[in-house]
Amino acid sequence: DAGVIQSPRHEVTEMGQEVTLRCKPISGHDYLFWYRQTMMRGLELLIYFNNNVPIDDSGMPEDRFSAKMPNASFSTLKIQPSEPRDSAVYFCASSFQTPGAKNIQYFGAGTRLSVL
Amino acid sequence: SQQGEEDPQALSIQEGENATMNCSYKTSINNLQWYRQNSGRGLVHLILIRSNEREKHSGRLRVTLDTSKKSSSLLITASRAADTASYFCATLSTGANNLFFGTGTRLTVIP
Repeated sequence: DAGVIQSPRHEVTEMGQEVTLRCKPISGHDYLFWYRQTMMRGLELLIYFNNNVPIDDSGMPEDRFSAKMPNASFSTLKIQPSEPRDSAVYFCASSFQTPGAKNIQYFGAGTRLSVL
Repeated sequence: SQQGEEDPQALSIQEGENATMNCSYKTSINNLQWYRQNSGRGLVHLILIRSNEREKHSGRLRVTLDTSKKSSSLLITASRAADTASYFCATLSTGANNLFFGTGTRLTVIP
């Protein structure tokens, strides 16, 4: 398996523009997580899905952020409009969880977002 | 916050020495995991210890867990320059489906 695939790897945009980050989880995994990592705040969980359904979006910072998972093999994180303080590395991770499972997460390589 | 706290924040050692990183957490857990992050890359799972275990080994890694103190430590023996990375602990709280990640320890191994 190719692992979790994120695109693009780098995104540079101007304030006010819409940004869409993409993630393809590992096939067969039933949980998908979106994280944001910055030097100041560390690794923050934004939202996670189970079987394509959003379970907890309490980490989404503002209404400017939205996430979707239209099917088991694809998810998007959208920021509209983007602001300079959104600059960070955004990670997608997936896991396969059953009762008593270990909940080990597999991370993508991340998308480095710079909002100018 | 349910996030774990790790110390030290940064650690610099010579190749061949042992590196010890500590993690403290706040809630009752199902398991505790350690992840590694190389610069510019995603996190990679290293080792997991369940709440009913006290010590676990994997190659040059040794993890201990003290649930009474809500703390864990990761020991890397005979460190190599390639071990240079950030190391994070993550806890799976009882009844939860998501992990809570610590603040990380930045390890530098000098050749």
